[in-house]
Amino acid sequence: TQLLEQSPQFLSIQEGENLTVYCNSSSVFSSLQWYRQEPGEGPVLLVTVVTGGEVKKLKRLTFQFGDARKDSSLHITAAQTGDTGLYLCAGGWGKFQFGAGTQVVVTP
Amino acid sequence: DAMVIQNPRYQVTQFGKPVTLSCSQTLNHNVMYWYQQKSSQAPKLLFHYYDKDFNNEADTPDNFQSRRPNTSFCFLDIRSPGLGDAAMYLCATSRDLTADRGTETQYFGPGTRLLVL
Repeated sequence: TQLLEQSPQFLSIQEGENLTVYCNSSSVFSSLQWYRQEPGEGPVLLVTVVTGGEVKKLKRLTFQFGDARKDSSLHITAAQTGDTGLYLCAGGWGKFQFGAGTQVVVTP
Repeated sequence: DAMVIQNPRYQVTQFGKPVTLSCSQTLNHNVMYWYQQKSSQAPKLLFHYYDKDFNNEADTPDNFQSRRPNTSFCFLDIRSPGLGDAAMYLCATSRDLTADRGTETQYFGPGTRLLVL
C-alpha cells in the first residue's frame, strides 16, 4: 500500500511570510498532484508534477518533485489571506491516494 | 465554465430516509468517482466507474450505491442514511484510469454537504 504523509498537519502564519509544506512517501509515484480545498468546496487542482526533480511555479507557489519521485514540496512566497485552505497532495501508481492534508491559515 | 457539477450543494435528510446525490461532467471523461470527506480529513474513495464498469472499494458500506446512466451523469444513493453518514460528498472525474502509465489527474466538483437529522 502506498501511503502519502503530509507535514505539518497545521500551519498558521501571518501575511507576507513564507511557508513550505511537504508530501512524502516510501514508494515511487508516477505523478503527484497538489490541490487546495477551501471550506465547503471541493479540492481545486493546483499542479501536476511528473518528472523527478521537476520544479513548477504558479505565481507565488513553487512545487518541487523529488529526484526519486517519492516526495514533493509546496512553497508559498509572501503568503496572502487568500492562500488559506487545506492543501492536499495526491497520486499513486494506478490507484489514486490522498495525503491527510496540511491546513494553512494565513492571518492579516 | 463548470466542468464537474454537483447538485444540490446542501442536502438535508432524515435518519433512514433514502437520499440521492447527483454529479454531471462536461469533460467527457471515462472515469467518475465518489468520495466521502469528513471534517478535517482527506477524501475517502467510495467507488468509481470506468465507463460502465463499477468498482467498489472494499470498505465501502452496502448502504452506499451508485448509478451511471450515461457518460455525463453519476449518482450516489444512500439507502438508509445514518448520523455517521453526514459528510461532504465529492464527485471527481479523470480522463482515464491506467495502471501502466500511472495515475491520471482527477478533477473535483464543489461537493454536496449532507446533513442527517
